[in-house]
Amino acid sequence: GQQVMQIPQYQHVQEGEDFTTYCNSSTTLSNIQWYKQRPGGHPVFLIQLVKSGEVKKQKRLTFQFGEAKKNSSLHITATQTTDVGTYFCAGGSGANNLFFGTGTRLTVIP
Amino acid sequence: ETGVTQSPTHLIKTRGQQVTLRCSSQSGHNTVSWYQQALGQGPQFIFQYYREEENGRGNFPPRFSGLQFPNYSSELNVNALELDDSALYLCASSTGTGGRDTQYFGPGTRLTVL
Repeated sequence: GQQVMQIPQYQHVQEGEDFTTYCNSSTTLSNIQWYKQRPGGHPVFLIQLVKSGEVKKQKRLTFQFGEAKKNSSLHITATQTTDVGTYFCAGGSGANNLFFGTGTRLTVIP
Repeated sequence: ETGVTQSPTHLIKTRGQQVTLRCSSQSGHNTVSWYQQALGQGPQFIFQYYREEENGRGNFPPRFSGLQFPNYSSELNVNALELDDSALYLCASSTGTGGRDTQYFGPGTRLTVL
């Protein structure tokens, strides 16, 4: 079956350092979405990428979709304590559901 | 906030019992999907409902069942609870049934099976 893996599983950074999480799918995706889940909260939609090689930016966050549409990354520049949480990628395969990745839990040390 | 509500917030059941979880969609959303999120894991797709019909199912046994009502609210029923069913159950509403539709998650129901 389809699998979406993320690395690293955990990341501790000093406030102000950069952070990157990588997402890899076992199959070609039609699209990829990114969600953020704060501790004790629920996933909140961040962005969707659809095109091969697409890059999108949201302030300090940069999202990339691989050329083969099987991988993606999220990069945060100059992390802040408000960035704390677990970041999930979720891949669409053309069917009616999303396959969520395993998530990367980000801790930011003030 | 998304406007998606779920009840109850927390629930404790014993093995073998049955449970019903409820979800109200965001206004204007006709599709509801249910996910199971075990501790430290990503959400796993259980099933999706569109126009009161099941419209796709993940790798979950038949003792997981659901309903969607004319007002697009939804229920998740789990029979014969097992210890491994302990998890956060999330419902998500969307405006479409495809994998490109943004999922608007509710706060979840934390189910503990003893």
